[in-house]
Amino acid sequence: DAKTTQPTSMDCAEGRAANLPCNHSTISGNEYVYWYRQIHSQGPQYIIHGLKNNETNEMASLIITEDRKSSTLILPHATLRDTAVYYCIGTNNNNDMRFGAGTRLTVKP
Amino acid sequence: GAVVSQHPSWVICKSGTSVKIECRSLDFQATTMFWYRQFPKQSLMLMATSNEGSKATYEQGVEKDKFLINHASLTLSTLTVTSAHPEDSSFYICSAPEREANTEAFFGQGTRLTVV
Repeated sequence: DAKTTQPTSMDCAEGRAANLPCNHSTISGNEYVYWYRQIHSQGPQYIIHGLKNNETNEMASLIITEDRKSSTLILPHATLRDTAVYYCIGTNNNNDMRFGAGTRLTVKP
Repeated sequence: GAVVSQHPSWVICKSGTSVKIECRSLDFQATTMFWYRQFPKQSLMLMATSNEGSKATYEQGVEKDKFLINHASLTLSTLTVTSAHPEDSSFYICSAPEREANTEAFFGQGTRLTVV
């Protein structure tokens, strides 16, 4: 798995966009960028993943830089329920999800 | 979407006893499942890979005789914590990936184990 680096914590105002960065400068060409989140005392929840192109689904958007060394997860309109730890994982194998420390996002009213 | 279910959600046991945790894939078959452990305020740490029809593979530092894994069928893996001690108290989580490569892995809701 690629080594990823994320800020330890971030705050976001309710209703505003939350932009969570992830650095993965050593990611290899066949490794995808996955994002999961974990709300307190629950199992991780899949958010989105991508290889090269930007991706969007009903939960979030994933913007991957052209050189693929970093990416940004965007929650377009954060709610209080989006408060969680967000994990960015670089892997070429959905069998092998190894978690770093993640970013603790706190959405404030 | 696909669902992975763990049972029980929480369990309290006495030191020295064994506890079994089940992980089921409810609407898909999983030849491989994964077991993680998470201590308070820490990230998930992969413990072992459960393989249907063969022995589990353990991460470095995880005692295979203490954490027994059995992948009995294509929809069920069990983790048994043997001779549990208070330091084994943790949040245990399983996951199962879809067979298709480069898709998501599904996680159970976790099992909170407290050893007293």
